[in-house]
Amino acid sequence: EIVMTQSPATLSVSPGERATLSCRASQSVSINLGWYQQIPGQAPRLLIFGASTRATGIPARFSGSGSGTEFTLTISSLQSEDFAIYYCQQYNNWPRTFGQGTKVEIK
Amino acid sequence: EVQLVESGGGLVQPGRSLRLSCTGSGFTFGDYAMSWVRQAPGKGLEWVSFIRTKPYGETREYAASVKDRFTISRDDSKSIAYLQMNSLKIEDTAVYYCKTDRRTEDFRDHWGQGTLVTVSS
Repeated sequence: EIVMTQSPATLSVSPGERATLSCRASQSVSINLGWYQQIPGQAPRLLIFGASTRATGIPARFSGSGSGTEFTLTISSLQSEDFAIYYCQQYNNWPRTFGQGTKVEIK
Repeated sequence: EVQLVESGGGLVQPGRSLRLSCTGSGFTFGDYAMSWVRQAPGKGLEWVSFIRTKPYGETREYAASVKDRFTISRDDSKSIAYLQMNSLKIEDTAVYYCKTDRRTEDFRDHWGQGTLVTVSS
């Protein structure tokens, strides 16, 4: 099983600032990596797939990069609605696995 | 509008069974592979199971934690995906979400609102 490790566990950021979230895979997943946003009490929402392609309706302030084992989600200028938990998920191998999540909170 | 609605959750004793349903509308259900993802209270997301479409033999994948206890199936004529959960354990307590799998030509996936399964004596 591929283990996905996200860092940091919690990120404290002021509105308008940049947030950088990391996700590492225990073995290569190529670019078969997605990022999800989850607001407490809601279902997750797909932000990024293929490591760097924004999903439908996702603002341009969200960007993804990386390949192989190292991936990054960047939120260029945090808005109030972006404070949430973010998960990466690999879909290169079975079983599909999620990272443990990064909580982005207001500083 | 695409909608997925889960049902069948509730309180169940350890060792018993429960069947979840995921009813889709607003899209051609048979064109999409389907997955179940769960989230224990206060915890992160855990992928549970996946079923391919009919052209791909409706073959299935499972997480190790549920393999041999859970069975995923689908009835495209009713636009429903099922998750049959047997020999339930306390650690199966979670909100269970169903979701469409993103096809190559798609730029999003779709999730239901989730259904809570509580395994407790």
